[in-house]
Amino acid sequence: QITLKESGPTLVKPTQTLSLTCTFSGFSLSTYGVGVGWIRQPPGKALEWLGIIYWDDDKRYSPSLESRLTITKDTSKNKVVLTMTNMDPVDTATYYCAHGRYYYDSGSYYVEFDYWGQGTLVTVSS
Amino acid sequence: DIQMTQSPSSLSASVGDRVTITCRASQGINYYLAWFQQKPGKAPKSLIYAASSLQSGVPSRFSGRGSGTEFTLTISSLQPEDFATYFCQQYNKYPLTFGGGTKVEIK
Repeated sequence: QITLKESGPTLVKPTQTLSLTCTFSGFSLSTYGVGVGWIRQPPGKALEWLGIIYWDDDKRYSPSLESRLTITKDTSKNKVVLTMTNMDPVDTATYYCAHGRYYYDSGSYYVEFDYWGQGTLVTVSS
Repeated sequence: DIQMTQSPSSLSASVGDRVTITCRASQGINYYLAWFQQKPGKAPKSLIYAASSLQSGVPSRFSGRGSGTEFTLTISSLQPEDFATYFCQQYNKYPLTFGGGTKVEIK
């Protein structure tokens, strides 16, 4: 059974750095074809993909946020950490992590999210 | 970036109704599209991947169709537990992008 859970501060001040942890079970991030992604959702708005880290430590980031994001993994502890610098009130959102299934199809590789964490609301305010 | 446009943004329906939601991609994404269901205060739940493949455990009243730029999610007979917001997401190219969502409400 795959489960994921996000944890971290619920309130950060503008310009501060946010660090969120995704703790998961039911899979290993050292297994071929596995990734953990981060997605956020501002209140009342749509989902926005932030980035993903794969079993081989390959990473992909949203181009619009890439300069502010870092995703790392601790395979032995089943944790993935998202770091976002220079937080702003527009970054107020529920942040989710999700299990990604990376697979080969028709000449390329793709990743689809099948299990999500419950999310954690982060408010950016002074 | 590939823009995903969902329609309608909301709809009202009754239990037992057939409901169809449309998702359009700004460029061809083959069939690399997923659908998610989200209830208030809950994490999104994966319903469909590869445009038409049902995730394990998802009721068969949910179905997906389409390829290229136009996709649909159909609920053949709406049940009380289906009232929620539905999102599409393309995973053909980075950055992965989501539709704006369709809220299905009780009539």
